[in-house]
Amino acid sequence: DAGVIQSPRHEVTEMGQEVTLRCKPISGHNSLFWYRQTMMRGLELLIYFNNNVPIDDSGMPEDRFSAKMPNASFSTLKIQPSEPRDSAVYFCASSLAGAGNQPQHFGDGTRLSIL
Amino acid sequence: DAKTTQPTSMDCAEGRAANLPCNHSTISGNEYVYWYRQIHSQGPQYIIHGLKNNETNEMASLIITEDRKSSTLILPHATLRDTAVYYCIVRVPNSGGSNYKLTFGKGTLLTVNP
Repeated sequence: DAGVIQSPRHEVTEMGQEVTLRCKPISGHNSLFWYRQTMMRGLELLIYFNNNVPIDDSGMPEDRFSAKMPNASFSTLKIQPSEPRDSAVYFCASSLAGAGNQPQHFGDGTRLSIL
Repeated sequence: DAKTTQPTSMDCAEGRAANLPCNHSTISGNEYVYWYRQIHSQGPQYIIHGLKNNETNEMASLIITEDRKSSTLILPHATLRDTAVYYCIVRVPNSGGSNYKLTFGKGTLLTVNP
C-alpha cells in the first residue's frame, strides 16, 4: 500500500521566495495533519483537516503560512514570503478519524532550507 | 493528553530484547497508549497502541500495567535498523472532532549496538 507521499523531499530557496509543500494522504483517510520539526521545538502540529475542512490551525505560526485541502487526495502548505527561521522538516500525516483509535501515518517529510 | 516520562536514551545489544519504559501516571480511563518511532531522516512511524490489555504485532509487544500508570514497549530481537527515537504518547482516539492531537515529547533514543 502507498503511504503518505510528500513532495519535494528537499527544498532550498532564498529568503522572500514562495514555498509550496505538497502532500498526498493515504487513500480513504479523512484526516490530514501538517507538522513541523526543528531541533529546538521538536515536532509541532501546524494544522489539522477533517474531511477536507480545516479544524484547527492554531499551530500555524504566522499569516505567512497557509494550508489548503481542495480534495481528499491532496493538500498544500504554502509559505509566502519565506524566512530563514522557517527552515525545518515539514511532515504530513493522515489517519481515519471517527473509526476508533486509528493511528496517524506520516510521510517522509520535506526538508526545507531558507537561505 | 496525559503527560509521559521516558528515559532520554538506552542501549541494547543486537539480537537482544529492547525494553523501553514509559510512565503515564495521570492517564485517564479512555486514553490509549501509542508508540511511535522516528528513524533518522524519516517521518515518525506508528508501532503499536493499546488501552489496557497487552498487545502484540509484527513489530513489537506492548505491556501495560494493571493500574495503567506505566507501560513497556518490547522489541523482541533488536536489530541495527531499530536504532531510533521512540515516542510514548497517551491520548483519546480521534473521533473527527477535538481528539486529534498527537503531542510528541522528547522520546527515548534507542541505540542498538553490534
